[in-house]
Amino acid sequence: KQEVTQIPAALSVPEGENLVLNCSFTDSAIYNLQWFRQDPGKGLTSLLLIQSSQREQTSGRLNASLDKSSGRSTLYIAASQPGDSATYLCAAREPVGGGADGLTFGKGTHLIIQP
Amino acid sequence: DTAVSQTPKYLVTQMGNDKSIKCEQNLGHDTMYWYKQDSKKFLKIMFSYNNKELIINETVPNRFSPKSPDKAHLNLHINSLELGDSAVYFCASSPRTSGFYNEQFFGPGTRLTVL
Repeated sequence: KQEVTQIPAALSVPEGENLVLNCSFTDSAIYNLQWFRQDPGKGLTSLLLIQSSQREQTSGRLNASLDKSSGRSTLYIAASQPGDSATYLCAAREPVGGGADGLTFGKGTHLIIQP
Repeated sequence: DTAVSQTPKYLVTQMGNDKSIKCEQNLGHDTMYWYKQDSKKFLKIMFSYNNKELIINETVPNRFSPKSPDKAHLNLHINSLELGDSAVYFCASSPRTSGFYNEQFFGPGTRLTVL
């Protein structure tokens, strides 16, 4: 059974720092890995999607990498801003049986960027 | 706006009642999902529905039943509500291109409180 773990559970850093959020998964038979942002009381906003055949994806100040063989993904945030404060979730898309698929989520990293 | 929408946003009800949450996507996606986010903010898949094929997470009680009147809707019906059903429920959708798994797009969530 797939398990997705995110480290650290919480992180507080001063504005302007570059930071790395870690995600690991136990079963490498994934279709892709998706990073989300969730603000308090809100839904999930998709940040980046990395297909299983890809190594990394970039969007603005965000860069996500995937090492399927070692079961790891990282989300790199450059020049952090207070508006980046949120919970960041990684999710592995995988078979859930019967030809269907679904996302298995980590518990998230709660990020606070101090002004 | 193209999006995944859910109604209601908040639902407060008594134990033992039956309730439904509606989900609609106008993205033309052929696969829809329901996820549950518990009090510890952990997200878990409940259902995957694709072309009239429903796949159920085996941990979901049979009091929960998704109903799809058409390709754009996947409603969640819950019978005999229990205190432990209190959570935020998210609907999601995704297109399925043969051999390629795309992003999942999430609705804003429905916060269910059972008293």
